[in-house]
Amino acid sequence: QSALTQPASVSGSPGQSVTISCTGTNSDIGGYKYVSWFRQHPGKAPQLLIYDVSDRPSGISDRFSGSKSGTTASLTISGLQAEDEADYYCSSYTTSDSLEWVFGEGTKLTVL
Amino acid sequence: EVQLVESGGGLVQPGGSLRLSCEASGFTFRSYWMHWVRQTPGKGLVWVSRISSDGSSRRYVDSVKGRFTVSRDTARKMVFLQMSSLGVEDTAVYYCAREHLVSRHFDLWGRGTPVTVSS
Repeated sequence: QSALTQPASVSGSPGQSVTISCTGTNSDIGGYKYVSWFRQHPGKAPQLLIYDVSDRPSGISDRFSGSKSGTTASLTISGLQAEDEADYYCSSYTTSDSLEWVFGEGTKLTVL
Repeated sequence: EVQLVESGGGLVQPGGSLRLSCEASGFTFRSYWMHWVRQTPGKGLVWVSRISSDGSSRRYVDSVKGRFTVSRDTARKMVFLQMSSLGVEDTAVYYCAREHLVSRHFDLWGRGTPVTVSS
């Protein structure tokens, strides 16, 4: 079971929008609604941004939105702010015999 | 305060053992499935293990099967990861994470505890 595929890096200017993709298979993203997105600042624990493809936990800005089409999920961050510069990871439940959850490789977001 | 606090990480020689602990507070620990996730230096997150709320069901990623054992102590509100036959590839920051009660996602993470396997 390989990691979900994310772009290594994306960038955008303050106020702009960026979208991060996350590609899996029918055994994970394509088969379940259990797709989540996390933000991680250096040296910190991951922070949940999106769960169940498109739901936001309380306290998370509506600048963060999620979607899914087939085996690819996406995270869109609108109105980029300097504090958004971080690493972003997707995750999905999987039916793989070798593991129960699979994460993306991570995407470094740079705010120009 | 709702939180998870990991401990027990450190430097261990190849082939050695280590026991990680995760202490929960601020929520009804006995109701939740708990997970361990690790992150190698400069790399991404990898799911390691899961234990059900009553401890009756446990799963592991293939790379640690037979070497790692997850357990929990409901009275002490703690979850453990016993690691043995450690190799350099096990070097990582190990996070304890809580799975949401209703939907399947990790809704609470600890700050992690670092494990370094080196001679």
